[in-house]
Amino acid sequence: KAGVTQTPRYLIKTRGQQVTLSCSPISGHRSVSWYQQTPGQGLQFLFEYFSETQRNKGNFPGRFSGRQFSNSRSEMNVSTLELGDSALYLCASSFGEETQYFGPGTRLLVL
Amino acid sequence: AQSVTQPDIHITVSEGASLELRCNYSYGATPYLFWYVQSPGQGLQLLLKYFSGDTLVQGIKGFEAEFKRSQSSFNLRKPSVHWSDAAEYFCAVGASSGGYQKVTFGTGTKLQVIP
Repeated sequence: KAGVTQTPRYLIKTRGQQVTLSCSPISGHRSVSWYQQTPGQGLQFLFEYFSETQRNKGNFPGRFSGRQFSNSRSEMNVSTLELGDSALYLCASSFGEETQYFGPGTRLLVL
Repeated sequence: AQSVTQPDIHITVSEGASLELRCNYSYGATPYLFWYVQSPGQGLQLLLKYFSGDTLVQGIKGFEAEFKRSQSSFNLRKPSVHWSDAAEYFCAVGASSGGYQKVTFGTGTKLQVIP
């Protein structure tokens, strides 16, 4: 089976812009979770989607949003980018309540 | 709410030496426990997991971990470290909550391997 894929792998944006990141889970996995990873804050949970519904949400401002499509692919969107949004954004998929498998991440740099 | 502590931010070992990375968790019931490894700029790769049963868990790349309920620990071990093991290691605890699993990650331990 193919692993979790994330696109794009790298992004450079400027403050105030918005960005959309994409995640394709492992085939058959219905749960997709998003994490933000920074050197200072470590791995922080953003949100989790299951069958197109957001089941859980971390402590991030409303500028961070996501959605999941019927084929389980997920997107996350960050509006009005700030310098502090520079991070590695990781997507993980799982089959129900089991182990999470991570994608390679999208490296976002906000200038 | 569950939590995970990895007390060692950075560890240096010589190639061929044994390795133990510490992980302590806090959770009221038996948790799901994981160890992941991350190479620079990459995603997290699952090394091993504990859900139930035998408390000594074997993983990939020669790693193993032991669940000790009395100590709330899930330490990762490897008998002989290779230079390619240099990476960051994350312990995670998962707990069922409202029909789904919430996973909390530790802050990670960076492993340096010297020749």
